[in-house]
Parts: sequence; C-alpha cells; structure tokens
Amino acid sequence: NAGVMQNPRHLVRRRGQEARLRCSPMKGHSHVYWYRQLPEEGLKFMVYLQKENIIDESGMPKERFSAEFPKEGPSILRIQQVVRGDSAAYFCASSPPGTPGYTFGSGTRLTVV
Amino acid sequence: DQQVKQNSPSLSVQEGRISILNCDYTNSMFDYFLWYKKYPAEGPTFLISISSIKDKNEDGRFTVFLNKSAKHLSLHIVPSQPGDSAVYFCAASRPSGGGADGLTFGKGTHLIIQP
Repeated sequence: NAGVMQNPRHLVRRRGQEARLRCSPMKGHSHVYWYRQLPEEGLKFMVYLQKENIIDESGMPKERFSAEFPKEGPSILRIQQVVRGDSAAYFCASSPPGTPGYTFGSGTRLTVV
Repeated sequence: DQQVKQNSPSLSVQEGRISILNCDYTNSMFDYFLWYKKYPAEGPTFLISISSIKDKNEDGRFTVFLNKSAKHLSLHIVPSQPGDSAVYFCAASRPSGGGADGLTFGKGTHLIIQP
C-alpha cells in the first residue's frame, strides 16, 4: 500500500511560468490537504479537498493559486505566473473521512529562478 | 497571528536523557493535538496525538501531556536516541464541521541528540 505520492520531488520554474504539483492520496483516502512550508517557517494550511469538491480554501492566496481533486486522477495544485516568493516546499496529505490526523507525502520543492 | 507556538527553535539533548519539547496554543476551540516528526527532505510523519478529554497519552518512549487550563502541551521522549534527531512540529485541530479541517502547525523545534 503506497503512501501519499507527490511528484515531482523538485521543480524549477522561471518567474512568470506555471507550476503544477501532483498528489496521489493513499488508497482509500478521500480527503486531500495541501500545505506550504516557507524557509524557517512551519507548515501553513492552504486547501482541503474531497473528490470534485473544494471544502476549505481559506489558506490559499487569492490570486494565481488553484487546486483541484478530480473524480479520476491525482489532486493538482497549480500556481500561475510564479514569483520568487512562491519558492517553498509544498506538502500534500491525505486521510480517510473523520480522522483528524493524516499522512503526508514527501513534498515538492519548488524553486523559482 | 500564531495560534500554535513552539518557542524553542532548537533543543540539544544528550543521548539517553529525556527530551522535552513544548508547545503553547491560544485558540480554546482546539480539541485535538498532534506531534509530527520531520527529517530533512521528507514529509512530516505522525508521531503521537492527544484528545482534549485526556491529559496524557503514552506510546513507547513518547508521552504527550496536555494542560488545558494553561493551553500547553509537551512531548517527552525518554530515553532519547540519535535517530530522534529531527524537527518536531506541534499541530492542533478544531472540531469537524464548517468545513475547516486543516491542522494549525507550530514552526517546529529542531531536536539534536548528542552522543
């Protein structure tokens, strides 16, 4: 039973490009969460999704960031027109319904040059 | 506004001794608390949790204590081992409902176990 799979592990983008981060939850998990960790900071909640539904996006920046979790396939965190300040580690986590703790993936380290 | 605070960015402990990591929170709505351990270049891994109806939860070398009146929790590791060297994050959650199921994390404490 594979854990939470994130890809790519490392992503380099030039300013103004788009970044797409993928997350496949653990088998049987229907809830997906995205977190961002800036250097020297803790993990900050971004968005919580269930299949085809955004449940809570209170942590998402208002512009350029979007997330989806389609009926088939992985969850995608999309960052348009990246800026240097978007450089961070982005972690995805998943859980079964009704569980407050969850399992994290290994993260995607985004570097904007 | 930091709702979960870990005031010690780092802690150095000798191997075999007790490591005590502290965490304070400000939001009285939090009712479930978790500790995660994180190695470099890896995702956080769940360590231990405690519900607000308890004041202590133990799992092997790890014990979490919760003092609700002080809004304080601590993680005790005894005896400390070299493999415990990692960053430890305290996290808290509110009751489900209203859709906000994200965890609120502290900034982490880097625990260094010295031989």
